[in-house]
Amino acid sequence: GAVVSQHPSWVICKSGTSVKIECRSLDFQATTMFWYRQFPKQSLMLMATSNEGSKATYEQGVEKDKFLINHASLTLSTLTVTSAHPEDSSFYICSARAQGFQPQHFGDGTRLSIL
Amino acid sequence: AQKITQTQPGMFVQEKEAVTLDCTYDTSDPSYGLFWYKQPSSGEMIFLIYQGSYDQQNATEGRYSLNFQKARKSANLVISASQLGDSAMYFCAIYGGSYIPTFGRGTSLIVHP
Repeated sequence: GAVVSQHPSWVICKSGTSVKIECRSLDFQATTMFWYRQFPKQSLMLMATSNEGSKATYEQGVEKDKFLINHASLTLSTLTVTSAHPEDSSFYICSARAQGFQPQHFGDGTRLSIL
Repeated sequence: AQKITQTQPGMFVQEKEAVTLDCTYDTSDPSYGLFWYKQPSSGEMIFLIYQGSYDQQNATEGRYSLNFQKARKSANLVISASQLGDSAMYFCAIYGGSYIPTFGRGTSLIVHP
């Protein structure tokens, strides 16, 4: 099946640090990648949608300057949490989709803890 | 706009029995796709099954089947012969014409031995 690699799995860092999370589709070309945030015992909250070579589309309420998304190739998207603060602590999960109604395939997620 | 409703916050089932997880949806798009994902406690999201709005037959994947009733706008997941490893959160999702997914709140399934 389709494989999406997300790295790192865990990040613990000090307040004010910027953190970069990578999402790679390993065996297919991802026209679209999605970034989600998930709080404990809640559903996925879509943060942004990115298409290769174009600017990400952010959902309402998500700060573009805080959560920088780059989708430079058909196999790689990155999410950078800039100047992270404790309230940014969460589970971040990416997904990639080839095209159209094909299913998203998810990375294993990144648990971010800001001290 | 599109919406997914999962009305069962939690479900319990005995091992080896079948269980149905409910999902109703709303969309104004004539063409759409419906998906189910499993999220174990470890956090990863695992794709289970897909149903296209124009598919004539209900989708099946091993022990998973999707009971698609278009007129009622429901897409229930049926897990046959439950196993202990099926204990997880289950999310129903829809894509419409925008191809942007909408997820339900999820159902927590616990399988008892």
